[in-house]
Amino acid sequence: DAKTTQPTSMDCAEGRAANLPCNHSTISGNEYVYWYRQIHSQGPQYIIHGLKNNETNEMASLIITEDRKSSTLILPHATLRDTAVYYCIVSDMNRDDKIIFGKGTRLHILP
Amino acid sequence: SAVISQKPSRDICQRGTSLTIQCQVDSQVTMMFWYRQQPGQSLTLIATANQGSEATYESGFVIDKFPISRPNLTFSTLTVSNMSPEDSSIYLCSVESRGRGRGLGAFFGQGTRLTVV
Repeated sequence: DAKTTQPTSMDCAEGRAANLPCNHSTISGNEYVYWYRQIHSQGPQYIIHGLKNNETNEMASLIITEDRKSSTLILPHATLRDTAVYYCIVSDMNRDDKIIFGKGTRLHILP
Repeated sequence: SAVISQKPSRDICQRGTSLTIQCQVDSQVTMMFWYRQQPGQSLTLIATANQGSEATYESGFVIDKFPISRPNLTFSTLTVSNMSPEDSSIYLCSVESRGRGRGLGAFFGQGTRLTVV
């Protein structure tokens, strides 16, 4: 079973920051937080991952709370192309852990 | 990042027949994963395929229905056997990506859209 809970759907205005929350209260010390997204009719796309510290790359920022029980994915300037289902996943990839998908958050970017 | 090619990209098949889906990766990988995504649903892991050993199946999936081959470190096949309309789904191949001693996540093919009539 997925170890994360996310809102079913969210709306965000184009040009604004999209903040997608994720709860993972049972995360273990070795598990990373991963974010993927799936644009309609495509395979899932890796976005970002982190363990404890906040992370930023060209796509997004990942904010992980100090207790690691929740995180937020931030798309700083959302565009219509960011409309997708976003999946938050915890996995111990150092142990060749499987990636188990939950239901994700359907993000609609509104023009 | 790994480049993953899946064939076929889509197919329409008669019930009772079988379809073999191929997954080719442009680099050697230890683990490959097969997922199913039913219409409007999230991805469900079918099995993990390691080269040189039998695939490990998740609960609800069996080898007789979804036999998997993994002949080398860049290739795998998934067969959907004795198909019924309930098998209509997108089937996706995935590989892990590693760097600097820790996992970087997984990369996915574009999927095979299967319709069983």
